[in-house]
Amino acid sequence: AQKVTQTQTSISVVEKTTVTMDCVYETRDSSYFLFWYKQTASGEIVFLIRQDSYKKENATVGHYSLNFQKPKSSIGLIITATQIEDSAVYFCAMREGNYAQGLTFGLGTRVSVFP
Amino acid sequence: DMKVTQMPRYLIKRMGENVLLECGQDMSHETMYWYRQDPGLGLQLIYISYDVDSNSEGDIPKGYRVSRKKREHFSLILDSAKTNQTSVYFCASSFRVGTGQLYFGEGSKLTVL
Repeated sequence: AQKVTQTQTSISVVEKTTVTMDCVYETRDSSYFLFWYKQTASGEIVFLIRQDSYKKENATVGHYSLNFQKPKSSIGLIITATQIEDSAVYFCAMREGNYAQGLTFGLGTRVSVFP
Repeated sequence: DMKVTQMPRYLIKRMGENVLLECGQDMSHETMYWYRQDPGLGLQLIYISYDVDSNSEGDIPKGYRVSRKKREHFSLILDSAKTNQTSVYFCASSFRVGTGQLYFGEGSKLTVL
């Protein structure tokens, strides 16, 4: 069974700084896929970025990047140059190599960006 | 237009009543999902549909059933709703089940009194 854990419930940062949030996962599969999603105050959930387990390079999309530490089963999300609109709940999710399964989500980390 | 649409967005029902939540997508995605989101429990998978009439239970299917007769539509049905089914329900779709990137609808908030 797969499990995704986000230990940080909430983080507050000042605008234009960098925020890092953690996610650890458990899986027995050698092949798996990791994702980060953002849920805004309106409830909208949007995909941000993904990391495939077989890739050594950390994924980067815009001002989002990942810190993939495979030996530690860890996939951290880094947001640089934060903006007020980055205030949201961020979910880490995983899918194992068995394509029949959906994504398993962590409980989320609430990020508040202040001016 | 790449959109997942859920109807209704808000619904209040009494215990024992039937509930129908509908979801549509305009991307011809093969795979669709129903999740529910509760405080402290996060997003939990109820059902997956791999295509028309090809559905599979997720992690918490009890008390729910689904119907997918057209690729673009996926319905979640609660027969005789219970108060513990009060939740926000999210529909999502993906090109195929293996692609991972899910497109979510806006959510349907169901209150069962």
